[in-house]
Amino acid sequence: AQSVTQLDSHVSVSEGTPVLLRCNYSSSYSPSLFWYVQHPNKGLQLLLKYTSAATLVKGINGFEAEFKKSETSFHLTKPSAHMSDAAEYFCVVSGRYNFNKFYFGSGTKLNVKP
Amino acid sequence: KAGVTQTPRYLIKTRGQQVTLSCSPISGHRSVSWYQQTPGQGLQFLFEYFSETQRNKGNFPGRFSGRQFSNSRSEMNVSTLELGDSALYLCASRPLEGGETQYFGPGTRLLVL
Repeated sequence: AQSVTQLDSHVSVSEGTPVLLRCNYSSSYSPSLFWYVQHPNKGLQLLLKYTSAATLVKGINGFEAEFKKSETSFHLTKPSAHMSDAAEYFCVVSGRYNFNKFYFGSGTKLNVKP
Repeated sequence: KAGVTQTPRYLIKTRGQQVTLSCSPISGHRSVSWYQQTPGQGLQFLFEYFSETQRNKGNFPGRFSGRQFSNSRSEMNVSTLELGDSALYLCASRPLEGGETQYFGPGTRLLVL
């Protein structure tokens, strides 16, 4: 069985400060992990994905995430927040076989203050 | 490549009516999945189609159905609409192999009055 827990429903940071969005997963086998971002009234855009290569994954717009198997975590970070980062972020876990479902976290809304 | 496209982008219907939503996947992607997104329930998986066959199904009533055509385009139908069906319906496509990334369309916003 697979599941994802996003530990914060809302995160608020000031522009220029670091961002940390937390995600823990549960999987009975080696998972694929993703972070997606959704801006208001838009679809989901892929930020980055982990599929068993390097544990530190770099994505678009300066975001990165580290896969920590011992902690079953896949936290999303960015060194310096920008106003345009304000959006909702989803952590997703999936298997690596055909037709494995995607399991979405409940989302974290990021607010960036000027 | 063009991204996933969904039509229409916005719909207003009344209770009891039915609605059909359309999704065109990225060229070469043979799998199409549908999701419902609401403020209360978040993102919920509806179903996935590949080669015109439903491969996965979420926990939705039979009023929700879908199909896929030979060109991989997919449609989703909701019959006897209820107020609670108001949501953003997202379509996503991916190539066949497991673990592949899903690419999402912009969604169709359905409002049921």
